[in-house]
Formats: sequence, structure tokens, C-alpha cells
Amino acid sequence: AQTVTQSQPEMSVQEAETVTLSCTYDTSESDYYLFWYKQPPSRQMILVIRQEAYKQQNATENRFSVNFQKAAKSFSLKISDSQLGDAAMYFCAYGRDSNYQLIWGAGTKLIIKP
Amino acid sequence: NAGVTQTPKFQVLKTGQSMTLQCAQDMNHNSMYWYRQDPGMGLRLIYYSASEGTTDKGEVPNGYNVSRLNKREFSLRLESAAPSQTSVYFCASSEGVAASYEQYFGPGTRLTVT
Repeated sequence: AQTVTQSQPEMSVQEAETVTLSCTYDTSESDYYLFWYKQPPSRQMILVIRQEAYKQQNATENRFSVNFQKAAKSFSLKISDSQLGDAAMYFCAYGRDSNYQLIWGAGTKLIIKP
Repeated sequence: NAGVTQTPKFQVLKTGQSMTLQCAQDMNHNSMYWYRQDPGMGLRLIYYSASEGTTDKGEVPNGYNVSRLNKREFSLRLESAAPSQTSVYFCASSEGVAASYEQYFGPGTRLTVT
């Protein structure tokens, strides 16, 4: 069965610095998607970035980028120039088009120090 | 656009009481989902509806029922609430059930069962 592991329950970073959140997953499939979702204190989940496994190029969205290592089954999120509004829980998730269910990690709480 | 809306935002029930959580989306999405979120865990899928008129069980369906009332609305019913159902409940929607479709989330309902 597929699993998603986020080994860092909590991370903190100084405002304007860079932080990397880790995610590893276990699958025997070759075609899948990986996601990072943000959950601010308002609770509403927001998609930050996604990666298609067949793409070698790492996805980027403004200050957010991923380091996708398919062989190592690793999918880390890098946040550059951290801002106070980045403070939130961040969840990593795995999914496949042939399966309705996303598999979620337990989340990492990101604290931004002013 | 309101996106995905959920009512109520908070609810306290006594063991054995019943209630229905309401969810509506205005994005003309085909698929809708109900998740629960517990501390230290990722989201877990309770039920989903791939399209209007269909519903299927997810990972943790016991103790819940759902109704896809129309394309816009998807409700979750607890027939006889138990303390183990204390959780935050999220509704989500997407164009389709495939993982390639982004899921859009509502703000959640915090339910406490005493």
C-alpha cells in the first residue's frame, strides 16, 4: 500500500530565509502525482504545488519549488524568502489517476519568526 | 465565486445524537469528497461521489452516510454520533476523481461529540 511520510512535525524559519520541508513516499507505481497543500489557521486547504511523476523537471510556483527525487521517493518543498503569511500546516499528498484516493502525510507545522 | 461552502462551522453533539453536515460547490465540479482530519494525521477519505447520482466508500466510512443531492450539494450524515467521531470534517470538490484534477476544499466543520 502507498504511504506518505512527513518526518518533521514542526519547522521554524526566520522571515526572509529559506526553509525545506521533507516528504517521502512509498509506491511501486511509476505514474503518479505528488502535491503540497497549505493549511493556514483558517483551516482551508490550498494547493501550493504539484508534480507529475513522469516529468523530470521540478515544479516551481513563485517562491515555492520542489526537489523531486523519483528513485529515492522523495518530494521536498522549498520556500524561499519566507513570509509571515507562509505560517501554516503543510501536507504532502500522493495520488494516481486510476485511484480516487489521495494519500496524505501527517503534516508539518511551519513557524515563521519575525 | 464562493467555491466550496460548508455548514455549520462548529457543532457540539451528545453521544447518540444525529446531524447532517452540508456542503455545496459553485464550480460545476463533477466529483465531491468528505474527509476527516484528526490531530497528528493526514486527511482520511470518508466517502466520495465521482459524479451526480453516485457515491462510494472511502477509507473510513463506518458510522457515516452521504447523499449527493444534486451536482452542487453533497451532505454527510452521522446517524448516532460517537466520541470517536470528534474531528474536523472537510468537503472538497474537483472536476473529476483522477488525481490530476485539483481538489478544492471548504473551510471545514469542527465537530465535538461528548
